[in-house]
Amino acid sequence: NAGVTQTPKFQVLKTGQSMTLQCAQDMNHNSMYWYRQDPGMGLRLIYYSASEGTTDKGEVPNGYNVSRLNKREFSLRLESAAPSQTSVYFCASSRTSTYNEQFFGPGTRLTVL
Amino acid sequence: DQQVKQNSPSLSVQEGRISILNCDYTNSMFDYFLWYKKYPAEGPTFLISISSIKDKNEDGRFTVFLNKSAKHLSLHIVPSQPGDSAVYFCAASSSMEYGNKLVFGAGTILRVKS
Repeated sequence: NAGVTQTPKFQVLKTGQSMTLQCAQDMNHNSMYWYRQDPGMGLRLIYYSASEGTTDKGEVPNGYNVSRLNKREFSLRLESAAPSQTSVYFCASSRTSTYNEQFFGPGTRLTVL
Repeated sequence: DQQVKQNSPSLSVQEGRISILNCDYTNSMFDYFLWYKKYPAEGPTFLISISSIKDKNEDGRFTVFLNKSAKHLSLHIVPSQPGDSAVYFCAASSSMEYGNKLVFGAGTILRVKS
C-alpha cells in the first residue's frame, strides 16, 4: 500500500516550458487535492477534485490546469512555467469530500529559471 | 488575509519537557481543526484533530485544546522527544464549504534538544 505517490521528485524548468506533475493514490479515495508550499506561507490549495469527474479552483489556481484522469490519478499541468511557480507541490487525497483528514504525497520540488 | 495564523516561526524545547504550539484563526465558519507534522523532504502527516463541538482531544503524548471564543487552538506534546523535531502545521476547514478544503497556517519549527 503506497498511499499517495508523486512524480517526479525534482524538476528544473526554463521560463515558458510546460510540464505535468503526476499524482496517484491507492487508497480508493474519492477526493484529491493539489497544494503548493512556499517559505513562510504554509500550504495553499491550487485545485481540488471532490469526486471523479469534477474539478474546482482553490486559492491560487492561476497558471495551472488539472485533470482527474480516473479515481486514482490527479495531474497538475503548468502550460507556461514562470519563476513565481518555483515551489514544492504536494498532492493529497481524502476518503470523501466531507472527511477531513487528508493524506499527502512526498512532494515535487520544482524550480523555474 | 491569513485566516489561520501560527505566530511563532520556531520553538526550542528540552527533551522531556512540554512543547506548546499555538494557532489562531479568524474565520468563525471553521468547525474542524487538524495538526500536521512535516519532516524535511517528506509530505505532511496527520497528527491529531478536533471538532468544534469539543474543547480537548488527546492521543498519547499529543493533546489539542480548542478555545472557540478566543478562536485559538494549541497542541501540547508531553514529554517532548528528539524525534518530535519537525515543522508543525495547523489547518482548519468548514463543513459549510464544499470540498473539504483545508486552510493551513505558515507552520512552526519545533526543535527538541537532547
